[in-house]
Amino acid sequence: KQEVTQIPAALSVPEGENLVLNCSFTDSAIYNLQWFRQDPGKGLTSLLLIQSSQREQTSGRLNASLDKSSGRSTLYIAASQPGDSATYLCAVSRYNNNDMRFGAGTRLTVKP
Amino acid sequence: EADIYQTPRYLVIGTGKKITLECSQTMGHDKMYWYQQDPGMELHLIHYSYGVNSTEKGDLSSESTVSRIRTEHFPLTLESARPSHTSQYLCASTGANTEAFFGQGTRLTVV
Repeated sequence: KQEVTQIPAALSVPEGENLVLNCSFTDSAIYNLQWFRQDPGKGLTSLLLIQSSQREQTSGRLNASLDKSSGRSTLYIAASQPGDSATYLCAVSRYNNNDMRFGAGTRLTVKP
Repeated sequence: EADIYQTPRYLVIGTGKKITLECSQTMGHDKMYWYQQDPGMELHLIHYSYGVNSTEKGDLSSESTVSRIRTEHFPLTLESARPSHTSQYLCASTGANTEAFFGQGTRLTVV
């Protein structure tokens, strides 16, 4: 059974810092990996989707990398802002999203 | 912005009542999902659907049922609500490119 782990569970940084969130998964036979953002009491917002054949994806200040062989993905956030404060979740799918497995998330706080 | 909607956003209901949580998407996605999430915890898949007339149970044992009569609509029903059903319920859908989109969630409290 695929297990997804996110480290750290919580992170607090001052505004302007660059930071890295980590996601690891036990079964490297994945179809895709997706990073989401969740604000308190809300649904999930898709940030980046990496297909299994890709190594990284970028959107604005966000960059996600994928190393399937080692079962790892990182989400890099450049020049963090207070508005980036949220919980960040990664999810992996083995077969076309039928079994999307989530990590418990990293709760990020960016202090002004 | 994702076009997937859940109603109601918040619901407080008494034990034993029957409730239906609504989820609709206007993106024409075939695959839809229901997840349950307790505060600060990870998401657990409770139901999913590949398309019209297709429904499957997820990993987490759930006393809820779902139906998929139309592509855009995937309601979840609890026949008899209990306090243990108190949680947040999240609906999602995916299209051909496999990117998942989520609704805003329904926060259910059973008293």
